[in-house]
Amino acid sequence: TQLLEQSPQFLSIQEGENLTVYCNSSSVFSSLQWYRQEPGEGPVLLVTVVTGGEVKKLKRLTFQFGDARKDSSLHITAAQPGDTGLYLCAGAKLGATNKLIFGTGTLLAVQP
Amino acid sequence: NAGVMQNPRHLVRRRGQEARLRCSPMKGHSHVYWYRQLPEEGLKFMVYLQKENIIDESGMPKERFSAEFPKEGPSILRIQQVVRGDSAAYFCASSPPMSGLTYEQYFGPGTRLTVT
Repeated sequence: TQLLEQSPQFLSIQEGENLTVYCNSSSVFSSLQWYRQEPGEGPVLLVTVVTGGEVKKLKRLTFQFGDARKDSSLHITAAQPGDTGLYLCAGAKLGATNKLIFGTGTLLAVQP
Repeated sequence: NAGVMQNPRHLVRRRGQEARLRCSPMKGHSHVYWYRQLPEEGLKFMVYLQKENIIDESGMPKERFSAEFPKEGPSILRIQQVVRGDSAAYFCASSPPMSGLTYEQYFGPGTRLTVT
């Protein structure tokens, strides 16, 4: 059973477009991280959200944690080819050890 | 400010051999985690260690796999008598001593194990 479902699985857009990636679960998480992974490399941490309803901005990327801490979204404004990669959400469950549960991933391709 | 280091980056083993994967956490980090990424699958937690202690090994296969994080030196993930199904990318992550509810983990570049 996959606890964190991401949508869409694949996304191919043109440079300059906006996009949103969703990360959904029926479980509550104490915190949620977003990572980007490029081929042959490890995931790179983008942001951590902890508080329900929290919104964090990182340049053109906006991250939101749902009020109930069960879901999250990543919005990219004016996407660039350098944004291409695999986006992963990962949550730490309440009452559990520090292990992260990873989402199914969203593969983004931004065409110039 | 070196990040998490893993070696080797690529490892080829024949069926039945042993594989040893090494991980040096970021400076100041005392928690190490191992994850496995199988082809066409997502990242799955394997084990969480602190110095000289295994905290959570709920994701480790019951046989052939072991992990340690000694007082001195890197963390080691050891796979005995490898089989083709062990072929995957193995990632190590580290985090600083916990504060509050933040569980930020920083990943290394991974070791790609191929079993022939």
